[in-house]
Amino acid sequence: AQSVTQLGSHVSVSEGALVLLRCNYSSSVPPYLFWYVQYPNQGLQLLLKYTSAATLVKGINGFEAEFKKSETSFHLTKPSAHMSDAAEYFCAVRTDTGRRALTFGSGTRLQVQP
Amino acid sequence: EAQVTQNPRYLITVTGKKLTVTCSQNMNHEYMSWYRQDPGLGLRQIYYSMNVEVTDKGDVPEGYKVSRKEKRNFPLILESPSPNQTSLYFCASSYSGGTSTDTQYFGPGTRLTVL
Repeated sequence: AQSVTQLGSHVSVSEGALVLLRCNYSSSVPPYLFWYVQYPNQGLQLLLKYTSAATLVKGINGFEAEFKKSETSFHLTKPSAHMSDAAEYFCAVRTDTGRRALTFGSGTRLQVQP
Repeated sequence: EAQVTQNPRYLITVTGKKLTVTCSQNMNHEYMSWYRQDPGLGLRQIYYSMNVEVTDKGDVPEGYKVSRKEKRNFPLILESPSPNQTSLYFCASSYSGGTSTDTQYFGPGTRLTVL
């Protein structure tokens, strides 16, 4: 079975500061990892995904994440936060190819201060 | 525009009154799934469907039913809703092209309150 832990249910940064959202996973087989973003009153939008092709993954809106197998981590970063980045972010893992179920972390709400 | 739609977006009902939440996608996806989102728990899979007439249980199927009579539609049925089914529900779809990394596209969500 797989699981995802997101450290910090709320993260607050200043506009222009580095964004770092932490995600650690547990999986007995090589995982596929995803970051989704949820803006208020909207569905989930895919930010980026790790497919084993490259450990550093670039996504939309300037976000990127690095897969570190030794640390079982897939942290999300952005060099400079923008007010529009305020949202809830979910890390997810999938290894069950049949059921294709995404196992989500509990989410991190990002607040960006002016 | 490629999208997953859900109806209704908001619903308040009473215990025991049967309801259906509809989900439709226009991307010709084989795979469809229902999740519920609860505070502090992230999203959990309720049911999924690999194709027409092929459905199976996810992590939290109790109290729910689904059907897949057409490729584009995947309704979620609550035969006798209870207050513990108050939640935010998301439908998702993707291709089943044989790769595990197929992106799942999510609908806008349905906020259900059962009194």
